[in-house]
Amino acid sequence: DGGITQSPKYLFRKEGQNVTLSCEQNLNHDAMYWYRQDPGQGLRLIYYSQIVNDFQKGDIAEGYSVSREKKESFPLTVTSAQKNPTAFYLCASRPQGAEAFFGQGTRLTVV
Amino acid sequence: GDSVTQMEGPVTLSEEAFLTINCTYTATGYPSLFWYVQYPGEGLQLLLKATKADDKGSNKGFEATYRKETTSFHLEKGSVQVSDSAVYFCALSDWDYKLSFGAGTTVTVRA
Repeated sequence: DGGITQSPKYLFRKEGQNVTLSCEQNLNHDAMYWYRQDPGQGLRLIYYSQIVNDFQKGDIAEGYSVSREKKESFPLTVTSAQKNPTAFYLCASRPQGAEAFFGQGTRLTVV
Repeated sequence: GDSVTQMEGPVTLSEEAFLTINCTYTATGYPSLFWYVQYPGEGLQLLLKATKADDKGSNKGFEATYRKETTSFHLEKGSVQVSDSAVYFCALSDWDYKLSFGAGTTVTVRA
């Protein structure tokens, strides 16, 4: 089945540690996105990519990094520079001008 | 830049009540408009969409009409059920790959 897959569903990070969240899609969509959602809050854009090997910062890119080496994959690394990383992270993909498809999310907790 | 403003919640209703969630937008071009729904612990799912003025999107008893003159895309359902309890997001996309989301409205339906 076509879709967008995020892994893991739950992730725990120690202080000072980098962690990487996976996002894979087999929908052949050009654009991919990473959003952060805090409890009771809306979605805030971290990074997005319109094409392989190119990506743009969103509204809250500090402390995060991404890569887009393949059309299907858009991993997000939460670095130690992100001081408050506990949140729900959502990945999405879409063709130009159409609706976005979302993954099921990764819940990251700092321990 | 593009932006979406939606009615703040939370909204609490009894079963079979009428639901309206207001959404207005600001965009320089001719955006496509969307309503997404999020159930607890999950990603966002597309509920309905409209791509041009006067289009009406509908799905699962929900409706929204793209009103260019009032820059609005209000969501309505005539008779809600407990299963409609969720967070609802209004969103728009313009000619490029950017997506803009409203802050989300939490709806709780009581039996």
